[in-house]
Amino acid sequence: EAGVTQFPSHSVIEKGQTVTLRCDPISGHDNLYWYRRVMGKEIKFLLHFVKESKQDESGMPNNRFLAERTGGTYSTLKVQPAELEDSGVYFCASSTRSGTGYNSPLHFGNGTRLTVT
Amino acid sequence: DQQVKQNSPSLSVQEGRISILNCDYTNSMFDYFLWYKKYPAEGPTFLISISSIKDKNEDGRFTVFLNKSAKHLSLHIVPSQPGDSAVYFCAAMSSTNAGKSTFGDGTTLTVKP
Repeated sequence: EAGVTQFPSHSVIEKGQTVTLRCDPISGHDNLYWYRRVMGKEIKFLLHFVKESKQDESGMPNNRFLAERTGGTYSTLKVQPAELEDSGVYFCASSTRSGTGYNSPLHFGNGTRLTVT
Repeated sequence: DQQVKQNSPSLSVQEGRISILNCDYTNSMFDYFLWYKKYPAEGPTFLISISSIKDKNEDGRFTVFLNKSAKHLSLHIVPSQPGDSAVYFCAAMSSTNAGKSTFGDGTTLTVKP
């Protein structure tokens, strides 16, 4: 099975510009997540989709970040306008629902390294 | 305030010896714990997990121990192999929000031949 794919792998933009990150989850995975790792620190939760609905967006930093998942398939994360502190690695992950009541372990993409200059 | 902490940024061990990676958490609502392994330029991959109803889970060379009273878990790798060199992340989940995983900063393990 194809894994989680993210595009682009790297993006360098200037402060004030807009960037859109894309994630294609594993086929059949209803759960899609966005995480971010900044400066080698923890991998921080941004938001969680179940199919096309936002289940939890408590980790979104501010209204400059907009995530969508049209049709419950791929997802995009747009940052507009980008600020210096938005630099980091943005990971997308997907999962199924397991029988334990928890969602299954996350399958991560390789991430998009965003640099805002 | 970080709810999952991995206080050792790095660990170096000799091939064949045991590697012990530690993780502490503060949120008593966490009841499911996972370890992920990450190679450079790749996303983390799931390694092993443990539910709070257990205190140990073993999978081949990897064993996770959970001490609920101390809010502490550890990952043991024995014997360690050079291919185990990677960043290891501890993650925690709560049944009240089964979709969200909270991660630590990671520990970089280096296994020397």
